[in-house]
Amino acid sequence: GNSVTQMEGPVTLSEEAFLTINCTYTATGYPSLFWYVQYPGEGLQLLLKATKADDKGSNKGFEATYRKETTSFHLEKGSVQVSDSAVYFCALIARAGKSTFGDGTTLTVKP
Amino acid sequence: DAGVTQSPTHLIKTRGQQVTLRCSPKSGHDTVSWYQQALGQGPQFIFQYYEEEERQRGNFPDRFSGHQFPNYSSELNVNALLLGDSALYLCASSLRWGGEEQYFGPGTRLTVT
Repeated sequence: GNSVTQMEGPVTLSEEAFLTINCTYTATGYPSLFWYVQYPGEGLQLLLKATKADDKGSNKGFEATYRKETTSFHLEKGSVQVSDSAVYFCALIARAGKSTFGDGTTLTVKP
Repeated sequence: DAGVTQSPTHLIKTRGQQVTLRCSPKSGHDTVSWYQQALGQGPQFIFQYYEEEERQRGNFPDRFSGHQFPNYSSELNVNALLLGDSALYLCASSLRWGGEEQYFGPGTRLTVT
């Protein structure tokens, strides 16, 4: 079946540091890939997505590129802020419509 | 626009009981998916409803069932509750033919004692 493996956390960074959260996947066919974010006390929000190989999703300074050759979709941000502290989930949706999520990576940004 | 709403917010049930959770999708959305999120884990896909029928199902037993109404709202039913069913249950809505972007509700926290 499909699976998503995320970099284990928690991750603690200082403000303005560079962020990378690794995500690799296993899927049949050509899934769409997503990053969701869950802020404390809130529901899941879509952060960015990519629907085909070499697509780059971006939003709020975050970026991720769909790499078919390495089956990866790593999340990056050049300069994190305290307000970026949250849990980040990598996910895929296969052609049949079933979603698979990773276990989440907790990011804490300190001033 | 109200977004996705879920009720109740919290629920405490006893082992063996049955529970019904409710979800109203974002305005204009016609597809509802349900997820179970255990503490410290990612959401696990339970099933998806479109046109009042279950279209996709994850690896969950038949104790988990659902329904979608003509107004696109949905219910998740769990029978014969087990301690292991304690989790956050998330509802997500989307457009069947409008891309795969899902909008999530705040969830219902179910505790089974």
